[in-house]
Amino acid sequence: DTAVSQTPKYLVTQMGNDKSIKCEQNLGHDTMYWYKQDSKKFLKIMFSYNNKELIINETVPNRFSPKSPDKAHLNLHINSLELGDSAVYFCASSLPGANVLTFGAGSRLTVL
Amino acid sequence: GENVEQHPSTLSVQEGDSAVIKCTYSDSASNYFPWYKQELGKGPQLIIDIRSNVGEKKDQRIAVTLNKTAKHFSLHITETQPEDSAVYFCAASKGSGGGADGLTFGKGTHLIIQP
Repeated sequence: DTAVSQTPKYLVTQMGNDKSIKCEQNLGHDTMYWYKQDSKKFLKIMFSYNNKELIINETVPNRFSPKSPDKAHLNLHINSLELGDSAVYFCASSLPGANVLTFGAGSRLTVL
Repeated sequence: GENVEQHPSTLSVQEGDSAVIKCTYSDSASNYFPWYKQELGKGPQLIIDIRSNVGEKKDQRIAVTLNKTAKHFSLHITETQPEDSAVYFCAASKGSGGGADGLTFGKGTHLIIQP
């Protein structure tokens, strides 16, 4: 059983399009995250979310928005895609207030 | 905010030799230091962590040391094997209660094990 699963694993799209990446966790964790990993492998947190609070990294453009239908899911919507959005996006989860992250396998987004 | 520096960015060692990756942090209030391993095509996975009340922690072939005074911590891998080839990330945070959004990651070290 995959603990944190993301779909799709690969996504190729044109500039200006809107796309979504889905994430689901079956660990019973209350807090979920989205990270962006650029071509140099640098990991940068974008959002953290539990059923009470959304914390947004202030450097994330408002074209990115997380949506959580329930505490086991946190999807990432991206509007008006730009070339610089090309990266691997990781979903992760943790117990509330805990530091240990469980990551998904990543979704590689390529914007042409 | 916290700043974590990690060195080297790439490390190549012969199979069977030891590998050491070093990190420094800036915030003296940080008290939790995990290490994550990212294999090709996968997400990072926690391999070992240490809290500031401990100077060293071992788990089979891997160990982490912490020097709070100097604000640096290191990952040591002994008797390296091909499956150790991966990107390793250090991180620092102010500990439990702050959530993992308080984790600051280093920029990663690509460890290559030469046969």
